[in-house]
Order: sequence, then structure tokens, then C-alpha cells
Amino acid sequence: KAGVTQTPRYLIKTRGQQVTLSCSPISGHRSVSWYQQTPGQGLQFLFEYFSETQRNKGNFPGRFSGRQFSNSRSEMNVSTLELGDSALYLCASSLARAGDGYTFGSGTRLTVV
Amino acid sequence: AQTVTQSQPEMSVQEAETVTLSCTYDTSESNYYLFWYKQPPSRQMILVIRQEAYKQQNATENRFSVNFQKAAKSFSLKISDSQLGDTAMYFCAFIPANAGGTSYGKLTFGQGTILTVHP
Repeated sequence: KAGVTQTPRYLIKTRGQQVTLSCSPISGHRSVSWYQQTPGQGLQFLFEYFSETQRNKGNFPGRFSGRQFSNSRSEMNVSTLELGDSALYLCASSLARAGDGYTFGSGTRLTVV
Repeated sequence: AQTVTQSQPEMSVQEAETVTLSCTYDTSESNYYLFWYKQPPSRQMILVIRQEAYKQQNATENRFSVNFQKAAKSFSLKISDSQLGDTAMYFCAFIPANAGGTSYGKLTFGQGTILTVHP
């Protein structure tokens, strides 16, 4: 079966712009989580959605937002981009129970210049 | 709050040999899950093995096995018969078993260990 699909794979944006990243989970998975990965901070949790509702949010500024659609696809948006937002953004999907494990996509590499 | 610590930034091993990656964690939860993920240069995080805290038996998946010491809060990964394809960054991760409230979807990761397998 198809894995977690993230688009685009690479993105270059200018400071001050906004960006939208997309994630399509594994069919049947209703939980989608987002993570930011940087060399300095490692993997940090952004937020988690389940059945179109945000259930959990990490410690990121309000410029980071997300949503989930009725087909479980999710998008995350970053407004007013800063240089420090340059990172690999990973999406993970799950059947929603903690022990199910999370299947990750290949990520979107965002570079802010 | 939970923390996960991987004290080995880098490790190397010869092909066909065995290597052990270390992970310790801190939590007040009584039941939880622990995972090892592998991230090769292709960037995709791949689940290697999982362990439920209430299970005494150590998990095993082919060449991968764990040594889970709950009292010591230690969760090491042993890779036997190392292969070139095992070269990757390895992350240890934790999530409470009853992942409700502020734990939904929130895996806590260690900083990772870069493993290089040499021919």
C-alpha cells in the first residue's frame, strides 16, 4: 500500500513569504503529526490532527498552523518566514493509538533565503 | 515531561559485525512505548523496532533486537550482522501508552546516533 506522501520535496522561499506543505497519510490512518527537524534542535513536534481536529500542539509560534481535511490529508502553513524556519518538515501518520507506531513521509526540505 | 538521551553522536562498525546503540529516557509514566527509527540519507524515517514498557520480553526484528531495562530506563538497540544498508542516523523515541491530552501524536526523540557501516 502507498506510504505517507509529502509534497513538495524541496522548497526555496524568501524571508517574509508564506508556505504551505502537504501530507497525504496512509489510507485508513486518521492521525497526522508534523515535526520540524534541524541540525541544532533535532526533531521537534509541531502539532497533531485527528478527524480534522487539532488535538495537540508543540511550542512553536502562531506563524505555524495546520489543518486536516475530511480525507485525512493535512497541510501545514508557515507565514512570515524567517531564516530560522529552514528545516526538514516531516509528516507522520498513524491509526491513532500510541503503540501503533508512526509512519513517516520523506519530508519537505524548506530553505528560507 | 519526558526526555530521551542518546549519548553516542557517532558510531562505526565493520560489515558483518555487531553494534549496540545506547538510549536512556526519563519519565514518570508507568506505561509507554519505545521505538527505534532509522533515517538514511533519503531522509525517510523508518520504524526499526518497538517495545511496550509493560512487556518484559525484549523485542526482536530479524537482525535488530533491543535490551530494555525498565528500572534503569535504558533501551539499547543491537544490530547483528551489520550491512552497508544499515548506514543511517538512528533515533530513539518515546510516547506514553495512554497518549491522550498533551501526548497525542507527540513522539519525544533523542538527538540521534550516526551509524556508519564500513565494508
